Amino acid sequence: QQQVRQSSQSLTVWEGETAILNCSYENSAFDYFPWYQQFPGEGPALLIAIRSVSDKKEDGRFTIFFNKREKNLSLHIKDSQPGDSATYFCAASAQGGRALIFGTGTTVSVSP
Amino acid sequence: GPKVLQIPSHQIIDMGQMVTLNCDPVSNHLYFYWYKQILGQQMEFLVNFYNGKVMEKSKLFKDQFSVERPDGSYFTLKIQPTALEDSAVYFCASSLARADSDYTFGSGTRLLVI
Repeated sequence: QQQVRQSSQSLTVWEGETAILNCSYENSAFDYFPWYQQFPGEGPALLIAIRSVSDKKEDGRFTIFFNKREKNLSLHIKDSQPGDSATYFCAASAQGGRALIFGTGTTVSVSP
Repeated sequence: GPKVLQIPSHQIIDMGQMVTLNCDPVSNHLYFYWYKQILGQQMEFLVNFYNGKVMEKSKLFKDQFSVERPDGSYFTLKIQPTALEDSAVYFCASSLARADSDYTFGSGTRLLVI
């Protein structure tokens, strides 16, 4: 059973548009939700993260919207740039310091 | 920023042989992790390690897998014997605090078992 799900395997947007990546989870004990960005040939790098006590986290062009009741969250990439083309992983960890569980990833392509 | 170094970057090995993947974590980090990724898709958790002990492992962490970090040296993942399905990219990560903190990942070791 997939504990962290990302609804789209791939997404294409035009430069300047807002890319919206969706994520849902099963385990109510998850309380920390980072998003990681991965470029080909590299390891994932932390992009932005939110804790379950918040419903929104913003960092520059990147915003997480979190809905605890519905067990879903989304990453919005505003004013998408070609350099944002990468695979984005939603991840979650439960209370008590258990390891991060990753979603299946969404590959974003930004066309100029 | 601080980096996690993984050695080697690529490894080709005959099925049944032993392989050791090496990771040099961020110097002041205390928690260490191995993940497996196939075809650029999902990052599958294998194991996390703290204070010389395995804290948590997944079903993918088969009996043929082992991890250790002798004092002052690399955090290693050993697979003995290897199987064809072990072909993947293995990522090491480290974090300063427990899981709900930033992970720093290495660039991965691309393992091909033939």
